[in-house]
Amino acid sequence: DTGVSQNPRHKITKRGQNVTFRCDPISEHNRLYWYRQTLGQGPEFLTYFQNEAQLEKSRLLSDRFSAERPKGSFSTLEIQRTEQGDSAMYLCASSLSGDLDGYTFGSGTRLTVV
Amino acid sequence: GEDVEQSLFLSVREGDSSVINCTYTDSSSTYLYWYKQEPGAGLQLLTYIFSNMDMKQDQRLTVLLNKKDKHLSLRIADTQTGDSAIYFCAESNDYKLSFGAGTTVTVRA
Repeated sequence: DTGVSQNPRHKITKRGQNVTFRCDPISEHNRLYWYRQTLGQGPEFLTYFQNEAQLEKSRLLSDRFSAERPKGSFSTLEIQRTEQGDSAMYLCASSLSGDLDGYTFGSGTRLTVV
Repeated sequence: GEDVEQSLFLSVREGDSSVINCTYTDSSSTYLYWYKQEPGAGLQLLTYIFSNMDMKQDQRLTVLLNKKDKHLSLRIADTQTGDSAIYFCAESNDYKLSFGAGTTVTVRA
């Protein structure tokens, strides 16, 4: 297993465009998480899935953000009508439920909105 | 609520010990973590401690937990240049991690 994989690594987009990021978790992990990290800050929780069900969404996740995990494996995070304030590193992590010592992060997707 | 605070910077001489401190507020946290982040990279789990423990040692790393004061520390023995990075303290409650802002550790020769 190669760990948690995120694509693309970097994305530059113009304000107002839509962007989509992909995360492939560790294959046996049933939980998948999205976090956002801005410069000089720690990661902030956005949302998580247990299998294909989205169980929690942070108030940070505005209506322009949507996440899916249709088959309980990979996940996508879409941002519509991007704003400059969306510029951040978007981190994905996965774990087995009830196994919090195995919370593994991917390398992230760095989004720059110009 | 969940509020995790850390000192922002630490400079240490190569070969010395580093101690990074963290305070948290959620007394129901089940696990507490230390993650390392190098420039442009994701988060690497260094070590964690279950909330009913007060100490954990793992090679050069020692974690101390004072649950009464909600204080967590990470000691790195014999600090090396490869230890230069940002270190994040995090607390968990079931599924969610709450992170501090990170401590930037600079190792000088």
